[in-house]
Amino acid sequence: DAEITQSPRHKITETGRQVTLACHQTWNHNNMFWYRQDLGHGLRLIHYSYGVQDTNKGEVSDGYSVSRSNTEDLPLTLESAASSQTSVYFCASSEVSASGQYTQYFGPGTRLTVL
Amino acid sequence: AQSVTQLDSQVPVFEEAPVELRCNYSSSVSVYLFWYVQYPNQGLQLLLKYLSGSTLVKGINGFEAEFNKSQTSFHLRKPSVHISDTAEYFCAVSDHTNFGNEKLTFGTGTRLTIIP
Repeated sequence: DAEITQSPRHKITETGRQVTLACHQTWNHNNMFWYRQDLGHGLRLIHYSYGVQDTNKGEVSDGYSVSRSNTEDLPLTLESAASSQTSVYFCASSEVSASGQYTQYFGPGTRLTVL
Repeated sequence: AQSVTQLDSQVPVFEEAPVELRCNYSSSVSVYLFWYVQYPNQGLQLLLKYLSGSTLVKGINGFEAEFNKSQTSFHLRKPSVHISDTAEYFCAVSDHTNFGNEKLTFGTGTRLTIIP
């Protein structure tokens, strides 16, 4: 079955280190997204991509970057991790079906702790 | 730009009682509306969505929601809840001015706790 996976599922790192979170989807969706989930804020969009070589900033993009070299993967990089980036990170991809139905699918999440 | 307000951060409900989770949105253009559920330590799963047509939308697990354009609301309801419905519920909105490239804006979530 097609799916969307994230790795690692849990990560502990230190302030100032570079961290990369992986996201891989096998649906061949063009659109991919990264969100962070924090108590009291719901999910907030970090970056998104509408296709290979396309990346865009979301609501909370400072300190994060993404690259899209193929359809399946959208890795999220924290250039210099900060304690404020301790959060749960969700990757998503979306499609529009032939009947015009729009759906966004989510990965299982990565819990990142920055000490 | 659009926004979503979920007024209730926590809703406790007795088992087999009805429940309504409230969602209001703000947007200057036509919108798509979604409800997602997040079970403990899991990702988000789509419950239901309103794209067009009938304003009463039925989803999985016996949930339904009604789109009310005049009140800019999309409240989620279930006539009889079960222990297994304990989860966090998120309302989300996207505008469809750029069809096929929608971005979701989420509310802050409502934690539904079912009391045995």
